[in-house]
Amino acid sequence: KNQVEQSPQSLIILEGKNCTLQCNYTVSPFSNLRWYKQDTGRGPVSLTIMTFSENTKSNGRYTATLDADTKQSSLHITASQLSDSASYICVVSGSDSWGKLQFGAGTQVVVTP
Amino acid sequence: EAGVTQFPSHSVIEKGQTVTLRCDPISGHDNLYWYRRVMGKEIKFLLHFVKESKQDESGMPNNRFLAERTGGTYSTLKVQPAELEDSGVYFCASSQGGGRQETQYFGPGTRLLVL
Repeated sequence: KNQVEQSPQSLIILEGKNCTLQCNYTVSPFSNLRWYKQDTGRGPVSLTIMTFSENTKSNGRYTATLDADTKQSSLHITASQLSDSASYICVVSGSDSWGKLQFGAGTQVVVTP
Repeated sequence: EAGVTQFPSHSVIEKGQTVTLRCDPISGHDNLYWYRRVMGKEIKFLLHFVKESKQDESGMPNNRFLAERTGGTYSTLKVQPAELEDSGVYFCASSQGGGRQETQYFGPGTRLLVL
């Protein structure tokens, strides 16, 4: 069973609207959580990295939150643009597995005009 | 500055053949990682190099896979002999340091299809 679960699997939103993606993880001991954006045919690109002591981190219109107690994270996209259409992947690193990232299956976001 | 590059971008081979994938990390990055995504699954870790040494190879599926990083620069991942279940996208990533909060920069991937 994957230790990083994401929801929803996919979603369609209108340009200009906001959306929130969810990530639950069971990786333990926990080191950090990352959100990556992956465009079709490209490699993943890092959006945010958060350690257990960080509750929120922003990167432009992307805001990630982390609740290390409940082992949940969210990624909020504000005022979506067509270029936000991509797969968003939640990635967790354990403190006993230096450098080894554990990936969720991703949420496919489609932004329509 | 050039990003992580991978070659080839696509490879189609027959079962039983050998394929070698190459990854060139960002210049100066000591840490190099291999990952792969098989059809319908999440990306999974294969191994991690620090310079030319294997730091963690716990994700390598079996002994048909051989990764090398001679000289601590580019890396190759050889699959010999290839099986149908090896089909997928192989990603390489690199990071400057080895700290747990280091950003890993990914290449575009090599799409491997074994027939």
